[in-house]
Amino acid sequence: DGGITQSPKYLFRKEGQNVTLSCEQNLNHDAMYWYRQDPGQGLRLIYYSQIVNDFQKGDIAEGYSVSREKKESFPLTVTSAQKNPTAFYLCASSDSHRASYEQYFGPGTRLTVT
Amino acid sequence: GENVEQHPSTLSVQEGDSAVIKCTYSDSASNYFPWYKQELGKRPQLIIDIRSNVGEKKDQRIAVTLNKTAKHFSLHITETQPEDSAVYFCAASTGTASKLTFGTGTRLQVTL
Repeated sequence: DGGITQSPKYLFRKEGQNVTLSCEQNLNHDAMYWYRQDPGQGLRLIYYSQIVNDFQKGDIAEGYSVSREKKESFPLTVTSAQKNPTAFYLCASSDSHRASYEQYFGPGTRLTVT
Repeated sequence: GENVEQHPSTLSVQEGDSAVIKCTYSDSASNYFPWYKQELGKRPQLIIDIRSNVGEKKDQRIAVTLNKTAKHFSLHITETQPEDSAVYFCAASTGTASKLTFGTGTRLQVTL
């Protein structure tokens, strides 16, 4: 463990509230990613960032927003516009300068919205 | 965009038997194919990967094969052990710092 961290591990919110999930890495990786995991659906990409101050939408970006003000940090905000926000959220990072393409995952945040 | 299909969704094998999980992809530009293992409540971890200039790669009991023409790749686990029980995901991407498209996962159960 270590290298890429997410907090908190569990998060509970009421419907209609925005919530921000934290992701921090000390691996000096340029690229960072946010995935959502639902039972039976694998991992789906929400947003990704290849460099500071730049990010791109993934396959399911609606209802989410991100920022990348620092290389180490890539917070994800789940807005009230996300129709079904309850899920397991995974952050990942990778080094775009190395020959290895491996993405390293954080421990995840389980968000429950009621 | 890329679409990755993975089969089977569940797989039960007896300890010592082999397990095979298959994936197909749609984008001919994809050139990197990793396999991740996720134990219950844990983060996915890379177990093996293959690039499109290679047809097969082995790491002890684990091997991956790639058929670029048919756009499919497979994970082979030999001499399965109870600790191999987990969910396995295949994925495809076009390379470094590029987004991964994941399959829907295979839940492998190794029984004694």
